[in-house]
Amino acid sequence: GAGVSQSPSNKVTEKGKDVELRCDPISGHTALYWYRQSLGQGLEFLIYFQGNSAPDKSGLPSDRFSAERTGGSVSTLTIQRTQQEDSAVYLCASSSGGVFYEQYFGPGTRLTVT
Amino acid sequence: AQKITQTQPGMFVQEKEAVTLDCTYDTSDQSYGLFWYKQPSSGEMIFLIYQGSYDEQNATEGRYSLNFQKARKSANLVISASQLGDSAMYFCAMREGRVKLIFGTGTRLQVFP
Repeated sequence: GAGVSQSPSNKVTEKGKDVELRCDPISGHTALYWYRQSLGQGLEFLIYFQGNSAPDKSGLPSDRFSAERTGGSVSTLTIQRTQQEDSAVYLCASSSGGVFYEQYFGPGTRLTVT
Repeated sequence: AQKITQTQPGMFVQEKEAVTLDCTYDTSDQSYGLFWYKQPSSGEMIFLIYQGSYDEQNATEGRYSLNFQKARKSANLVISASQLGDSAMYFCAMREGRVKLIFGTGTRLQVFP
């Protein structure tokens, strides 16, 4: 079946502009995660959605970052007033839930803020 | 706080040889999960193997096995019979609570003929 998809694959934006990144999880997966990977670094957790529960936003680095998940499926990560330090690869993952279920990752969106 | 440490920024291995990628972790939880992911140059994170803290046997998945030493808090990945396609970044990760994964900084593995 189809894996996790993300769009766009690449995004170049000017400092101060807003951007929206999209994630389509694997069909039927109830859990969705956003991570950020800066150059040469590991992954940094941003936000987690599980079903209809309130999202875990504990990893969002500032109030310029927000995310929503509509209808328990597609998710959008929004970064307002982008800064150069926001440049990174943003990875989305989904899981069928449960404590030890593995997360399946999408190909990521490479964001470059100029 | 939970932490994952990967001390090998880069490793080289000859094709068909075995290689061990190190991972140590720190947690006060009794119940946790450890994961290894592969990230090729394409950027996608590929799940390789999982080990639960209560699992008595070391996890194995094909050519991948996890050398789990609970007392030492280590979860090393062993890749047997390396292939050129194994060249990639490898990340060790631990589940924190019931939600997020905490990742190490990764090890870049290069397999040469």
